[in-house]
Amino acid sequence: DSGVTQTPKHLITATGQRVTLRCSPRSGDLSVYWYQQSLDQGLQFLIQYYNGEERAKGNILERFSAQQFPDLHSELNLSSLELGDSALYFCASSVTTPNTGELFFGEGSRLTVL
Amino acid sequence: LAKTTQPISMDSYEGQEVNITCSHNNIATNDYITWYQQFPSQGPRFIIQGYKTKVTNEVASLFIPADRKSSTLSLPRVSLSDTAVYYCLVGDINFNKFYFGSGTKLNVKP
Repeated sequence: DSGVTQTPKHLITATGQRVTLRCSPRSGDLSVYWYQQSLDQGLQFLIQYYNGEERAKGNILERFSAQQFPDLHSELNLSSLELGDSALYFCASSVTTPNTGELFFGEGSRLTVL
Repeated sequence: LAKTTQPISMDSYEGQEVNITCSHNNIATNDYITWYQQFPSQGPRFIIQGYKTKVTNEVASLFIPADRKSSTLSLPRVSLSDTAVYYCLVGDINFNKFYFGSGTKLNVKP
């Protein structure tokens, strides 16, 4: 158990819909990262937050947005969903930023878009 | 941003030592090298991290030559449970953009 909690674990929805994925980082961790992993694909870095502020942005689509709240939990919002958005979405946290690379990952939220 | 290159897959047998090499030719001065392990449908798990020379922990060893343009993850006496994807990651500590490469799929056979 990494200490990072993601909900929901599974989500099935239809194209055009909007969903919200939630992440609670490890206690004390200020940084939250979001990754997308499609079937048989590598991990695509989406976005990073540190203590409520966006710190780094990767390959995140404009239809996607995220935020980190004062209690440090984070949400990833996916809108106008397409079939290709079906993937595992991982959240990771780390103590602080900058850091040298030890991220603690949650178990992921599996999104299926039909 | 330092790009990493790893073999797509490797096969091994139980009890053997496995060495997975990662190439990162344009590694920056401040970059550290980190390896993660991922089982299917699970989040990656940190294995080991180093900056130069050799680092060893209870799970693996990491060898980094002086030029730091490559690194080798060494797994001693692998078992079937070591079957997983192993990612080499070069971390830019200033920007915190942790990009994972394609990873190496290790298949350990009995």
